[in-house]
Amino acid sequence: DTGVSQDPRHKITKRGQNVTFRCDPISEHNRLYWYRQTLGQGPEFLTYFQNEAQLEKSRLLSDRFSAERPKGSFSTLEIQRTEQGDSAMYLCASSLGVHEQYFGPGTRLTVT
Amino acid sequence: KQEVTQIPAALSVPEGENLVLNCSFTDSAIYNLQWFRQDPGKGLTSLLLIQSSQREQTSGRLNASLDKSSGRSTLYIAASQPGDSATYLCAVRGSKKETSGSRLTFGEGTQLTVNP
Repeated sequence: DTGVSQDPRHKITKRGQNVTFRCDPISEHNRLYWYRQTLGQGPEFLTYFQNEAQLEKSRLLSDRFSAERPKGSFSTLEIQRTEQGDSAMYLCASSLGVHEQYFGPGTRLTVT
Repeated sequence: KQEVTQIPAALSVPEGENLVLNCSFTDSAIYNLQWFRQDPGKGLTSLLLIQSSQREQTSGRLNASLDKSSGRSTLYIAASQPGDSATYLCAVRGSKKETSGSRLTFGEGTQLTVNP
């Protein structure tokens, strides 16, 4: 399978815990994006990388959120001190430059 | 700030019917527009991408049109099938670097149910 993959697919955590998600983009894609989607809404942009450089962050990305793409390949999204409002589907996408974005299956986070 | 609206929010049709989903956006300075399909609890599957210079794109029973000047796109589904039941999302990519030219801005989607 050469599509975008995300791990884990589901995560249940208690409020206040830290969680980390991983995204593996399509191998030749230089851009990687993170989006968040809550129930009944469209996805909202969080941040994106071109190679290893994080070029843009949404105001939705509070200080508790951090994303990395250390070698320009896979990326991680960490949420510290999770809150119930963080419960959502976290989607990763990749693209080759400004071309079509391809999405992964998402990680569903539930904060109890 | 770009805003994307999709109408209707939900649609239920009998199998075999042709249908149209609508998408409108407030800033016509777009690079491209994508239509996606999302099944419950799943990720997004790209259906069609229309560049800002194009008027329409076709893939099988799907046809998407773009009128950039009026800020509108439509997704036409011919001969609908129960397997087409899903949420359809429209997303635009801005063309101006200073206004976040790389992100996709999504509508809230149209939830389609095709009844056998």
